[in-house]
Amino acid sequence: DQQVKQNSPSLSVQEGRISILNCDYTNSMFDYFLWYKKYPAEGPTFLISISSIKDKNEDGRFTVFLNKSAKHLSLHIVPSQPGDSAVYFCAASGEIQGAQKLVFGQGTRLTINP
Amino acid sequence: EAGVTQSPTHLIKTRGQQATLRCSPISGHTSVYWYQQALGLGLQFLLWYDEGEERNRGNFPPRFSGRQFPNYSSELNVNALELEDSALYLCASSFSISFTRFTDTQYFGPGTRLTVL
Repeated sequence: DQQVKQNSPSLSVQEGRISILNCDYTNSMFDYFLWYKKYPAEGPTFLISISSIKDKNEDGRFTVFLNKSAKHLSLHIVPSQPGDSAVYFCAASGEIQGAQKLVFGQGTRLTINP
Repeated sequence: EAGVTQSPTHLIKTRGQQATLRCSPISGHTSVYWYQQALGLGLQFLLWYDEGEERNRGNFPPRFSGRQFPNYSSELNVNALELEDSALYLCASSFSISFTRFTDTQYFGPGTRLTVL
């Protein structure tokens, strides 16, 4: 039962263009969402988060959009840079059946082409 | 400032053995989290310790256990190892602002690669 899904295993984008990474979740009780970036041989690095009371959060080149009705969030990176090439994980947390849960997606490998 | 450190980097065990993985959090952080990343899968939350107590536990069997020491470092123990326990085990730490919710920014270590033969 994959509660958080990143349906694109990989994404290739031209340098300077916009990268859009998508994430879908199934449980409407999730109320806090996070994006992490992971380089090979390193641990994930926190990028940006959003609470369910907002529909957008921006931090520099990174913007996360949340569409609660569609149970969908996306991460926009503008402009994309070669250093953005990494695996991106979305995660959702909230109280599910009386307990706080944190669930990650399977990741999307982003490649930025020069 | 030193980041989260984990040891060992690699660990090879055989089925049925026990594995012990160690994590030292960033100085000042009181929460430690453990995750498993099996091949081809996303991160799966294992355990959360704060101030020496287990705050939350993921959907893993009891043979996955751990503890947090007074200096906030932590151990993850995996008993009766099975082949499918082969994975990258990641530790993260955070300040403890939210005592129950996963809203505190977590800082990850590089992981321990456990191979079960």
